[in-house]
Order: sequence, then structure tokens, then C-alpha cells
Amino acid sequence: KAGVTQTPRYLIKTRGQQVTLSCSPISGHRSVSWYQQTPGQGLQFLFEYFSETQRNKGNFPGRFSGRQFSNSRSEMNVSTLELGDSALYLCASSSTTGVGTGELFFGEGSRLTVL
Amino acid sequence: AQSVTQLGSHVSVSEGALVLLRCNYSSSVPPYLFWYVQYPNQGLQLLLKYTSAATLVKGINGFEAEFKKSETSFHLTKPSAHMSDAAEYFCAVSPPVFGNEKLTFGTGTRLTIIP
Repeated sequence: KAGVTQTPRYLIKTRGQQVTLSCSPISGHRSVSWYQQTPGQGLQFLFEYFSETQRNKGNFPGRFSGRQFSNSRSEMNVSTLELGDSALYLCASSSTTGVGTGELFFGEGSRLTVL
Repeated sequence: AQSVTQLGSHVSVSEGALVLLRCNYSSSVPPYLFWYVQYPNQGLQLLLKYTSAATLVKGINGFEAEFKKSETSFHLTKPSAHMSDAAEYFCAVSPPVFGNEKLTFGTGTRLTIIP
């Protein structure tokens, strides 16, 4: 069974640009979550999608957005990039069969560097 | 709001010695608790989870953790450290609520194994 796949793995952008990151969940998983990981703030929850609907949202500005497609694949977008957006962005999928299990399966992440 | 506190951002143990990584949680209701491991340049991998069944939970790679409600703790242990255990470990908490796949992570503990 293929794991969670994130693309691209590495990317470099300049301030003011925008970026789109992609995540393909494990086959059959309908929940996709995104986390930002930085040395200073650690792992912070961005948002979670389930059946194309945003179900949970963290405390990030509106520049951070996401969506989920009918095949459960997800994208997140960051507009007007700032230096502080440099981070490892992790996607995780979950089967969500009932009560939230929290058993997330993570991809290897997309490392974004903003210059 | 739920939170976890990991005591010790860096822990060093000798190969073959006991590994003990500390995690304390704060939650108004009995939560779900997790330990994840992150190897360099990789995503997070679930080690073990507590979801209100047995209080002593066994995970992969010889790790285990005990849920102690009276101490609000969920410490991670391994009887004998191996060089391959060197990684960063994260404790995480989530409420046992349907539709909630949001995890709140601790700040992480970097484990170093001394040969």
C-alpha cells in the first residue's frame, strides 16, 4: 500500500510569491491534515479536510488556504509569502472510520524556503 | 484546550541503557495520546497510541508507554537503547471526539544514543 505522497519535496520561493503544495493520501483515506513544522514553533496544525470539506482549522492567517478534491487528494496554497513561512509542511492522512482516532500517517513533507 | 508538555528537549543515553522520554498532558476530558518519531528529513511515524483501553501500551521498535491519569503523564520507555533509536520524538494529544483528527503536539525531544 503506497504511503502519503507530497510534492514537491523541496522548493525555493521569494517574498511575495505564492506556492501550492500537493498531497496524495493513502488509498481509502478520506481525511487529510496539514501541519507546519519550524524550529521555533514546532508542529502547528493548519487545517483538516474530510470529503472535500474543511472540518478543522488552525490559527493561521488567511494567506494559508487549502482544498480537497473528490479523490481525496489535497492541495494547500500560501499567498504573498513571507520569510517566516519557511518551514517543512507535512501532510497526513487518516481513515476516520468513526470517532477521531488521531492515527495520522504522514508524508515526508515539502520543505519550503522563502528568500 | 488540550496541551502536552515534553520535559527535556534533548536526552542522551548510552547504547543498551533505558530510554525514558517524559510527556505530561492537560485535558478536561480523558484524551487520546500518541507518540510519534521523526527521523532526519522524514515525516512522522506513529510509535504507539492510547485510546482509553489498556493503560500500558506497547508500540513498534520495543517502545511502550503507560497512561497514568493521576499523574497526567504518558511517558515513553524502552528497556535497551539502540543506535537506530536516535531521532526526534513527539508526544501528541487529541480529544476523543467524532470528526476530530486534529493533534496538538509537544515541542519534541531529540534522543541521542551514545555508543
